[in-house]
Amino acid sequence: EPEVTQTPSHQVTQMGQEVILRCVPISNHLYFYWYRQILGQKVEFLVSFYNNEISEKSEIFDDQFSVERPDGSNFTLKIRSTKLEDSAMYFCASSDQVNTEAFFGQGTRLTVV
Amino acid sequence: AQSVTQLGSHVSVSEGALVLLRCNYSSSVPPYLFWYVQYPNQGLQLLLKYTTGATLVKGINGFEAEFKKSETSFHLTKPSAHMSDAAEYFCAVSTPSGGSYIPTFGRGTSLIVHP
Repeated sequence: EPEVTQTPSHQVTQMGQEVILRCVPISNHLYFYWYRQILGQKVEFLVSFYNNEISEKSEIFDDQFSVERPDGSNFTLKIRSTKLEDSAMYFCASSDQVNTEAFFGQGTRLTVV
Repeated sequence: AQSVTQLGSHVSVSEGALVLLRCNYSSSVPPYLFWYVQYPNQGLQLLLKYTTGATLVKGINGFEAEFKKSETSFHLTKPSAHMSDAAEYFCAVSTPSGGSYIPTFGRGTSLIVHP
């Protein structure tokens, strides 16, 4: 069964460092999303991506964040200068149409120390 | 704007008992509604969804949910809880916004199942 794959599963980084979280969406999907979940809190929308550009973003998705689809398969989230409060589980998701469910990856747990 | 409220951050039931997890939504247009489950250290797995048509939807693992427009609710139920149902459950609503549908999640409800 097709699935969304995220790497790494766990990333530890020093405050101020840049991190890139990687995702391989399901191959025929066209819509891509990043969400984050701070420990014990709700799953929060960060950004959606369609046709090689950002379609929606939340207030959380500020200038330190960026997304890219560098090739036909990968979808990345970059955090330029990590802060302690960026520590969270980051989920990538994809869907084939806007009105069907999003399929989520297993998540990348980011720990900023 | 759309939003989701899940009543109760924790629900505790005995094995074999009825499971009821509550979800209310706010939306100015007809929504799509979803329930996702998150097992420890895992991602989000779709349990069931409502888009159009029959308001009682059945999902995996014996769960079902009923869309009640008049109550703006989409409560999740299961007749008999199993130990393996212990997990975090998220209700999500999706409505058109700027040409796309972006799921908005509730805070989640942790289901605890006692032997």
